[in-house]
Amino acid sequence: DAGVTQSPTHLIKTRGQQVTLRCSPISGHKSVSWYQQVLGQGPQFIFQYYEKEERGRGNFPDRFSARQFPNYSSELNVNALLLGDSALYLCASSLGEGRKAFFGQGTRLTVV
Amino acid sequence: AQSVTQLGSHVSVSEGALVLLRCNYSSSVPPYLFWYVQYPNQGLQLLLKYTSAATLVKGINGFEAEFKKSETSFHLTKPSAHMSDAAEYFCAVTQWNFGSGTKLNVKP
Repeated sequence: DAGVTQSPTHLIKTRGQQVTLRCSPISGHKSVSWYQQVLGQGPQFIFQYYEKEERGRGNFPDRFSARQFPNYSSELNVNALLLGDSALYLCASSLGEGRKAFFGQGTRLTVV
Repeated sequence: AQSVTQLGSHVSVSEGALVLLRCNYSSSVPPYLFWYVQYPNQGLQLLLKYTSAATLVKGINGFEAEFKKSETSFHLTKPSAHMSDAAEYFCAVTQWNFGSGTKLNVKP
């Protein structure tokens, strides 16, 4: 069975640009969560979606947005990129809240 | 509010020695508690999860953790460290609140 897949694996953007990160959950998983992991820190929760509805939001500015599609895949969008947005962005899928979460390998975003 | 604190950002042990990684939590309700491991340039892998069924939780790769409500702790242990255990370990309360991580170094 395929695990959680994220694309792209790496990308470099310029300050002020916009970026879209993609996540495909494990088949059958309806919950997708996004995390930002800055180098040397633990993951910080950004969003959770379940059944295409936002179920949780972390303490991130409105430049961050996400959505979940009917096939339960998800996109994370970040507008007006700042240098501080450089991080590993992780996606996790699960059957639901409190259930075991499976993480993808992440997208490494570098903002220059 | 729910949060976790991991004591010690770096821990170094010799191969074969006991591994002890500390985690204290803050939660106003019975918590879900997790330990994850992250190898370089990879995502997180779940080691074990506490859901109130048992206070001693056994996980993968020989790790276990004990939930102590009186101490609000959920420390991770392994009796004998292996070189392959070198990684970063994260404690989390719920799926949304992670600690800052502890890097485990295993010396030959």
